[in-house]
Amino acid sequence: RKEVEQDPGPFNVPEGATVAFNCTYSNSASQSFFWYRQDCRKEPKLLMSVYSSGNEDGRFTAQLNRASQYISLLIRDSKLSDSATYLCVVNSPGGSYIPTFGRGTSLIVHP
Amino acid sequence: DAGITQSPRHKVTETGTPVTLRCHQTENHRYMYWYRQDPGHGLRLIHYSYGVKDTDKGEVSDGYSVSRSKTEDFLLTLESATSSQTSVYFCAISESSGRTSGYTDTQYFGPGTRLTVL
Repeated sequence: RKEVEQDPGPFNVPEGATVAFNCTYSNSASQSFFWYRQDCRKEPKLLMSVYSSGNEDGRFTAQLNRASQYISLLIRDSKLSDSATYLCVVNSPGGSYIPTFGRGTSLIVHP
Repeated sequence: DAGITQSPRHKVTETGTPVTLRCHQTENHRYMYWYRQDPGHGLRLIHYSYGVKDTDKGEVSDGYSVSRSKTEDFLLTLESATSSQTSVYFCAISESSGRTSGYTDTQYFGPGTRLTVL
């Protein structure tokens, strides 16, 4: 089982829709969590960190569920410019604490 | 944007030749990473560095070596390039990692190098 798993999608939604992605992780000792955004043929960029109490940044809300070992990203009022791949990142301890990336979820927002 | 550059940005080479990719940062961050990204696999860690001359292997290190002689530069060398190493290579930096604390700072990525091995 891969340490960090995401549904690759694509999620195809109309402008203005609300869409949510989940990301599951296997190591219960994982301590830090992030969502990155990657546009086609570009480098990943941090979208938001995920805090235990949940956090919001404008139209984006991130949640952490330690009991079920998943994080989520909710996007409200989707814009065309939200079309991208969203990468889940988990700090997976096991000696080196190097971040582990999920394979990403593709989002396509259409008019 | 964080000051990270990669060179070259594109390279085409032949099987069996050595190739060196360079990552340069102006942020004075301690940690530097090399990833490769392939369809269906996502980002996979090749090697990382936690200080000058301090490096360690990632999950796909076979066929790659790295060196870090200065804080700002992290070199990735393909000792004898193979077609399976055709990929997009990203360098990343972070101020700290969970290596000591269990918490990892944000990683900032360079623009990537597209490598084609014929």
